[in-house]
Amino acid sequence: NAGVTQTPKFQVLKTGQSMTLQCAQDMNHNSMYWYRQDPGMGLRLIYYSASEGTTDKGEVPNGYNVSRLNKREFSLRLESAAPSQTSVYFCASTAGLYTGELFFGEGSRLTVL
Amino acid sequence: RKEVEQDPGPFNVPEGATVAFNCTYSNSASQSFFWYRQDCRKEPKLLMSVYSSGNEDGRFTAQLNRASQYISLLIRDSKLSDSATYLCVVPTDSWGKLQFGAGTQVVVTP
Repeated sequence: NAGVTQTPKFQVLKTGQSMTLQCAQDMNHNSMYWYRQDPGMGLRLIYYSASEGTTDKGEVPNGYNVSRLNKREFSLRLESAAPSQTSVYFCASTAGLYTGELFFGEGSRLTVL
Repeated sequence: RKEVEQDPGPFNVPEGATVAFNCTYSNSASQSFFWYRQDCRKEPKLLMSVYSSGNEDGRFTAQLNRASQYISLLIRDSKLSDSATYLCVVPTDSWGKLQFGAGTQVVVTP
């Protein structure tokens, strides 16, 4: 009963390093999302993918790229990490936003030094 | 004005008491609203949906006031396990986007 799986759960990077956060869902959902959560800011949408083969920018896309590899997988890449990208990252998926129900992964805690 | 605003709290509530808190939203066209619950250092999970004037699920009641553009969440007979941050969520005009509030922290004490 995996749901949404994110890796890694924790990562420490130095400024300028790159990394990819992986996300996979086994619920056959069409839509997938990447959010970041910072204290006092709530969840902010970075990128989303309404369906396989499409991706769109969210509220805070700068410094990130995404790939919807197939229906199951949606990855988030930081090409040149900056301290401002220190955050908790959540991947989510949904069968449809009309339900309002997003299923989230457990989160990835990223620290950029 | 932020699209979704919440009192960050914390609301300190004795076990068994009732607590209520609001969420204001700016998009008057929003038709549906959601409350999510997030435990400390965990992922958010859907608690309730609100499509019309309100919704009730056990000890939890959500009410919508369209005229004043806010939704409220009321928790009756609070349990220790209700301690969490409650996130208000409102769909935006753009497809594929849900706007999350920063959350209201509730701490239920013995």
